[in-house]
Amino acid sequence: DTEVTQTPKHLVMGMTNKKSLKCEQHMGHRAMYWYKQKAKKPPELMFVYSYEKLSINESVPSRFSPECPNSSLLNLHLHALQPEDSALYLCASSQRDGSRVGSPLHFGNGTRLTVT
Amino acid sequence: SQQGEEDPQALSIQEGENATMNCSYKTSINNLQWYRQNSGRGLVHLILIRSNEREKHSGRLRVTLDTSKKSSSLLITASRAADTASYFCATVSTGNQFYFGTGTSLTVIP
Repeated sequence: DTEVTQTPKHLVMGMTNKKSLKCEQHMGHRAMYWYKQKAKKPPELMFVYSYEKLSINESVPSRFSPECPNSSLLNLHLHALQPEDSALYLCASSQRDGSRVGSPLHFGNGTRLTVT
Repeated sequence: SQQGEEDPQALSIQEGENATMNCSYKTSINNLQWYRQNSGRGLVHLILIRSNEREKHSGRLRVTLDTSKKSSSLLITASRAADTASYFCATVSTGNQFYFGTGTSLTVIP
């Protein structure tokens, strides 16, 4: 088991649906990440939150909307997705302070998303 | 793209043999990390090497870094069937941006 919990584990949604992915960590980490991973490909960075503020958006389409309500929670709101958005969505967290650039990422086990 | 390249893409070895995988990257880095991913699961951090280090060991893992060539290698000694997984390098520059390499799929045959 990991210390980063993602729910749901599996999600099937239609192109007109609105759904949310949730991620939670209680390690006191102040940086949280969303990655998208297609089969047999590396994870692709989507968003980074640092101290609950969005610090990086890798030109992700607006149909993906991240939210960080507090230091332990990270959400990814989904709306009007396309079938090509089907993938494993991974959440990760890491320590974040001035002396620790690039502390290791702790990943959840992901949400397997299928868009029909 | 800031993504690194790994080779080989796939590697199949017998249990007990050593496995070596290589990572090349394009930008200057603060550190480089290696991760393992079992099928359908999240990634697990294995080892971190800073830009001013050349070699690091952790158990059966040995990592080297050559910043002049922008390359790193991961050696797994005395491999076990449980080492079967995909392995990714991740480069970290400033701003806590992690970019993963293309990955090596390792199969260890019992």
